[in-house]
This record gives sequence, C-alpha cells and structure tokens, in this order.
Amino acid sequence: GQNIDQPTEMTATEGAIVQINCTYQTSGFNGLFWYQQHAGEAPTFLSYNVLDGLEEKGRFSSFLSRSKGYSYLLLKELQMKDSASYLCAVTDSNYQLIWGAGTKLIIKP
Amino acid sequence: NAGVTQTPKFQVLKTGQSMTLQCAQDMNHEYMSWYRQDPGMGLRLIHYSVGAGITDQGEVPNGYNVSRSTTEDFPLRLLSAAPSQTSVYFCASSHQGENNSPLHFGNGTRLTVT
Repeated sequence: GQNIDQPTEMTATEGAIVQINCTYQTSGFNGLFWYQQHAGEAPTFLSYNVLDGLEEKGRFSSFLSRSKGYSYLLLKELQMKDSASYLCAVTDSNYQLIWGAGTKLIIKP
Repeated sequence: NAGVTQTPKFQVLKTGQSMTLQCAQDMNHEYMSWYRQDPGMGLRLIHYSVGAGITDQGEVPNGYNVSRSTTEDFPLRLLSAAPSQTSVYFCASSHQGENNSPLHFGNGTRLTVT
C-alpha cells in the first residue's frame, strides 16, 4: 500500500530551527508538497519539490531525496505564528495526492 | 478574487438526513475535489472532477454524490447521513495538467451527524 509517515507532534522554541521529516512509500512519484494548516483553518501551500535537493523560500526550506523516499521541511527563526500542523503530500504515478497525517508543531516562548 | 468559497461552515444533521455542501471557485480552475479530514489521518479524497461534466470517485466515495455542471461549482451531497460521516470537509481546486499546481482549499465545513 501507499504510505506517508510524519511525526505526530514536535515542540520547538521561538527563534530556533526545527526540521519536520516525511518519508514516503508510493507507487511512483511525481512531486511532493508541503502545506501548513493552522488549527480550525484550511491547509495552505508552502512548497513543492520534484527534483532532489533543497528549495528555499524565506524562513522555510524543503528538501527532497527521491532515492531515499524522504523529505524534510526546515523552519528557521521560529515565530509563535508558526504553531500549526504541517502536511506532507506526494503525487503518485496516477497523479493522485497521497497525504500524511500531519505534524503538529508547538512553539514555546 | 474570493478563491474557493465553501458553505456552510458548520452543520449538524440527524442520522438519515440529507444535505448539500456547496463549493464555488472563481480562479477558472479545471480540477476540483472534496476531502474529508479526520483526527490522526491524512486528508482523504471523496470525489474529484477534472472539468465540467466529468466526475470521478476518490478513496472514500460511499455515501456521497457530486456533480459538475459548471467550471465554478462542485457541490457535495450526503445522501443519508451517518455518524461515520462526522468530519471536517474541505473543497479544493487547482489548475489541471500542471504537476506543480498547488491545491487551493475552502475554509471547511464541520459536520456532526447525531
């Protein structure tokens, strides 16, 4: 079956750096997305990776290794507003999105 | 642009009742979809559409119907509500045919079936 694994919950300190990992086993691969979802709100798009390597967008970066079935989202200079769930999603060979259950990130002052 | 507009925001139904969740987008997106989100699980695809007049089943279609008569609208119908359908429902849209086109989500409908 198809599977995406992310840690259920992580805690970090304001101003620090945190890395949220995502491992996947899917039938084919056509790209990986990261979304942010604040409690009670809709997911919003953060990043997309289809080639190996690091994509940087301001304080957020996303890394992909297709050979290892692995990605991470790196958040720098954490702010309280970064407290949210982070969802990893992979597009499989049929271009269907497979979603992880999400990682709830708690930021402490 | 309003983006993806989803109504209602909250709904309580009794078992056996039917209702329609509305979804409209003004971005001229070809692709529209309905997901449900339950605690501890990833988003699960209910139904999707790649254009007006075309719909298809997702991972968990039982108990739900959809139609796509226009590019803008994609309503989701619950035929006979069951407690197992208690969930948060999201409508989402994107450009079709672009692998890196992200989904744009509506604000969600919190449905409780008693």
